Amino acid sequence: AQKITQTQPGMFVQEKEAVTLDCTYDTSDPSYGLFWYKQPSSGEMIFLIYQGSYDQQNATEGRYSLNFQKARKSANLVISASQLGDSAMYFCAITGGSYIPTFGRGTSLIVHP
Amino acid sequence: DVKVTQSSRYLVKRTGEKVFLECVQDMDHENMFWYRQDPGLGLRLIYFSYDVKMKEKGDIPEGYSVSREKKERFSLILESASTNQTSMYLCASGLTGLRNQPQHFGDGTRLSIL
Repeated sequence: AQKITQTQPGMFVQEKEAVTLDCTYDTSDPSYGLFWYKQPSSGEMIFLIYQGSYDQQNATEGRYSLNFQKARKSANLVISASQLGDSAMYFCAITGGSYIPTFGRGTSLIVHP
Repeated sequence: DVKVTQSSRYLVKRTGEKVFLECVQDMDHENMFWYRQDPGLGLRLIYFSYDVKMKEKGDIPEGYSVSREKKERFSLILESASTNQTSMYLCASGLTGLRNQPQHFGDGTRLSIL
């Protein structure tokens, strides 16, 4: 079985500041993938970033980076230089041996001007 | 770009009705999924399918069934809708056997059962 825990139901950040969204996971699979998705109020789920369990370096995609600490089983999303359009729900997910993703409960991020 | 299309953005039905939610993807993906999303509970897997006419139960299949007669289409059926099935429903598709590939989602259907 695999599990994702997102402990922050809501987060607030000032525009142009950086913010970290927490994600811890649990899995018995030696090989797995971690994903972050963004869901604006309109409802669509947008893929942001991926980290493989054997990747040596932390993943980065533009303003998004993933702080991957394998020993701690954490995969935190870092958004640099927050923008108003970053206000959304953010979901962390894991895919292991079954190739069926498990999602966390999500974190609501609000960016203040 | 992968396109996953859900037939309705908003749907209102009555208790006891049989409800069909349709999902079509255009990228020849083997896997298709139906999720239910409720505030504070995240995405919960209802059913998934890894091939035509194949289906597997997810975490919360009770009260739902699915149909996959063609590779591109995956339908979610509420056999007898109840008010506790009022929710946001998300369809997704993805490639099989590739752990590093993200799922592709439709825009969601906000279903209200009165």
